[in-house]
Amino acid sequence: KAGVTQTPRYLIKTRGQQVTLSCSPISGHRSVSWYQQTPGQGLQFLFEYFSETQRNKGNFPGRFSGRQFSNSRSEMNVSTLELGDSALYLCASSLTASVPYEQYFGPGTRLTVT
Amino acid sequence: SQELEQSPQSLIVQEGKNLTINCTSSKTLYGLYWYKQKYGEGLIFLMMLQKGGEEKSHEKITAKLDEKKQQSSLHITASQPSHAGIYLCGADVSYGGSQGNLIFGKGTKLSVKP
Repeated sequence: KAGVTQTPRYLIKTRGQQVTLSCSPISGHRSVSWYQQTPGQGLQFLFEYFSETQRNKGNFPGRFSGRQFSNSRSEMNVSTLELGDSALYLCASSLTASVPYEQYFGPGTRLTVT
Repeated sequence: SQELEQSPQSLIVQEGKNLTINCTSSKTLYGLYWYKQKYGEGLIFLMMLQKGGEEKSHEKITAKLDEKKQQSSLHITASQPSHAGIYLCGADVSYGGSQGNLIFGKGTKLSVKP
């Protein structure tokens, strides 16, 4: 089975721009979660989608949004980029959204905001 | 303070030596997950522990969960250069919760000297 794929792998944007990141989960997985990883804050939960519905959202401003499509692929969008949004954005998929869950992570998208 | 503390923050060991990484939660643990990350890449799922006293092994890596101490340890026997990377623990601290309640430690950076 193919693993979780994320595109693009690297991205450089300018402050004030917006960006869309894409995540394709493992085939058959219906739950997708997004995380932001920075050296200072570590790995922080952004949001979780299951069957096209957002089930949970982390403590991030409204500039961060996401969605999930009927084929379970997910996108996250960050509008009005700030320097502090520079981070590795990781997507994880799992078969279900109930405990216990084995989350499988993609390679991440490295976003640099200048 | 950090809800999930990992120690040590970094570790340098000689190839062949054993080592232990600890993960301590300030909240009740309902599930504990160990991941390995190569710098700048996605997380690789290692093990999931659910019950107090549970112990799991995969190749030369063993993880234990001490529910009373709210702590988990990851032990690597006869370390090899391939074990190098960042080890992260993640935890579900909300009973019956979903992925939105997963928190992560800051990670332990392991270097193995040949």
